[in-house]
Amino acid sequence: NAGVTQTPKFQVLKTGQSMTLQCAQDMNHNSMYWYRQDPGMGLRLIYYSASEGTTDKGEVPNGYNVSRLNKREFSLRLESAAPSQTSVYFCASSDGTRGNTIYFGEGSWLTVV
Amino acid sequence: GESVGLHLPTLSVQEGDNSIINCAYSNSASDYFIWYKQESGKGPQFIIDIRSNMDKRQGQRVTVLLNKTVKHLSLQIAATQPGDSAVYFCAEALTGGSYIPTFGRGTSLIVHP
Repeated sequence: NAGVTQTPKFQVLKTGQSMTLQCAQDMNHNSMYWYRQDPGMGLRLIYYSASEGTTDKGEVPNGYNVSRLNKREFSLRLESAAPSQTSVYFCASSDGTRGNTIYFGEGSWLTVV
Repeated sequence: GESVGLHLPTLSVQEGDNSIINCAYSNSASDYFIWYKQESGKGPQFIIDIRSNMDKRQGQRVTVLLNKTVKHLSLQIAATQPGDSAVYFCAEALTGGSYIPTFGRGTSLIVHP
């Protein structure tokens, strides 16, 4: 089992460029999440998907879009990258049963210059 | 909104000592709590969890204590080892709604050999 896999691991973007972070899980989980992590701050939820076909905004959704392509995949898109989006992005998944563990990917380091 | 916080941003201990990492939560309705460990350059990993109907839960070398009266959570690590050096996050969740844990800022644990 690979668990939660994110790509790319590292990316440098110029302001205004667009890109998509890919995420896939092989645990047959219903729920998937995108968080960002900034220095000195905890994990902040960008978007989540409680099940295939549904997505909802989290705490910091501005500047991002998501697609729950199928049960396995949940992508995060930056349409016009800004320096404020320089961060580490984590994808996560859970079976959606309340009170069960959320599993995280290894992270994607994004720098916007 | 309500948030989860940590009392100490950095904790330094000697190898072999016991470590205690504290966490205060403010949402009295939260009924599920989780501790994660994050090593440098990696995603958060689940350590242990506890539900609000419990005061204490033990794992391998780790114990989580929950004091609902003062809304306080702690993680105790016995016989701390250099491999325990990491950032530790607590998270709270309300299992009656959408399952979206809220994370604290994290405490950096440094174990000196």
